[in-house]
Amino acid sequence: DGGITQSPKYLFRKEGQNVTLSCEQNLNHDAMYWYRQDPGQGLRLIYYSQIVNDFQKGDIAEGYSVSREKKESFPLTVTSAQKNPTAFYLCASSRGQATNEKLFFGSGTQLSVL
Amino acid sequence: QKEVEQDPGPLSVPEGAIVSLNCTYSNSAFQYFMWYRQYSRKGPELLMYTYSSGNKEDGRFTAQVDKSSKYISLFIRDSQPSDSATYLCAPTRSSASKIIFGSGTRLSIRP
Repeated sequence: DGGITQSPKYLFRKEGQNVTLSCEQNLNHDAMYWYRQDPGQGLRLIYYSQIVNDFQKGDIAEGYSVSREKKESFPLTVTSAQKNPTAFYLCASSRGQATNEKLFFGSGTQLSVL
Repeated sequence: QKEVEQDPGPLSVPEGAIVSLNCTYSNSAFQYFMWYRQYSRKGPELLMYTYSSGNKEDGRFTAQVDKSSKYISLFIRDSQPSDSATYLCAPTRSSASKIIFGSGTRLSIRP
């Protein structure tokens, strides 16, 4: 079945530690996105990539980094510079770059601070 | 003013009721209007997609767009407990750099 796989489902970060969230898609989609969701809030865009080896900052990129070395993979690193990392992280992809394209989401990673 | 405003709820209604979920937006250039449904601790999934003003029906769901008042609605008829979820509106235009989501309305259908 085609889809987006996020791992792990739950992740705990110690103070000063960098952690990486995995996102893999087998939909052959060009565009991929990372969103952060806090309780009772909507989705805030962290980073997005419209093509391999290229990505752009979203609204809340500080403290995060990404790479897009392969079309199917878009990992997100939460660095120690992100002082409030506890949130639900969602990865998404779309067939094309236009924002009216349907977004396909993974099942999310809950990140918590120890 | 936020670009997309949505009442966060929670909204609790009895099974079988008609539910109305609403969003307002400020950008008159928006042409495409999407509703995503998100079950607890899951990723959102696209529920309804409409272009420009008017109504679109899909089973028990109806999406309504009034571009003159910048107001979008999602109606659910004969609501079921399985409709309990958070509903996110997402108006956009094709040339935008990103989609802006509403904050989501949490809906609970009581059996």
